[in-house]
Amino acid sequence: AQSVTQLDSQVPVFEEAPVELRCNYSSSVSVYLFWYVQYPNQGLQLLLKYLSGSTLVKGINGFEAEFNKSQTSFHLRKPSVHISDTAEYFCALYDNTGTASKLTFGTGTRLQVTL
Amino acid sequence: NAGVMQNPRHLVRRRGQEARLRCSPMKGHSHVYWYRQLPEEGLKFMVYLQKENIIDESGMPKERFSAEFPKEGPSILRIQQVVRGDSAAYFCASSRQGANTGELFFGEGSRLTVL
Repeated sequence: AQSVTQLDSQVPVFEEAPVELRCNYSSSVSVYLFWYVQYPNQGLQLLLKYLSGSTLVKGINGFEAEFNKSQTSFHLRKPSVHISDTAEYFCALYDNTGTASKLTFGTGTRLQVTL
Repeated sequence: NAGVMQNPRHLVRRRGQEARLRCSPMKGHSHVYWYRQLPEEGLKFMVYLQKENIIDESGMPKERFSAEFPKEGPSILRIQQVVRGDSAAYFCASSRQGANTGELFFGEGSRLTVL
């Protein structure tokens, strides 16, 4: 069975500081990995995805993530955050085994950016 | 280009009533997924449907919950005899037929409150 673990439920950070949101996964098959962002009272928006190729993936809004197969991690980073980055961030894994295919989500990390 | 449309955005029901949530996928998408988000939790997969077929309902509660995606019209998530524990945000997502990258496009959610 596959699973996604986001160890930090909340991450407070000052504006213009760097941030890293951690994501670890467990799966017995080859995986696709995603980061989604959810602003208050809205749906989820795709930030970036790793399907194959380069392990460093760049997404929207200046975010990037690095796929590390040996450590089964896919941490999200941004070198300098803005107040507008305050949101909930979800790491997700794509399960494409058998006849079903679905995204499995972590429990989310709330990023709180303050002045 | 309309995205995934969900309605109602907010729904209030008393215990024992029925709740019907509707989802129109993006144009050209024939795969629909329903997820539930409980307060302070991540998204939990409920059901995956294609037109007129339920592909994976492994996340659906055994009783009171049902879903359909008819040939014509939106996908419907139906909750009978609602209880307070059903209060949550229900998100619908869609993907293009044949896509195997796992990327889903989400609606803004339907927030159900059971009094």
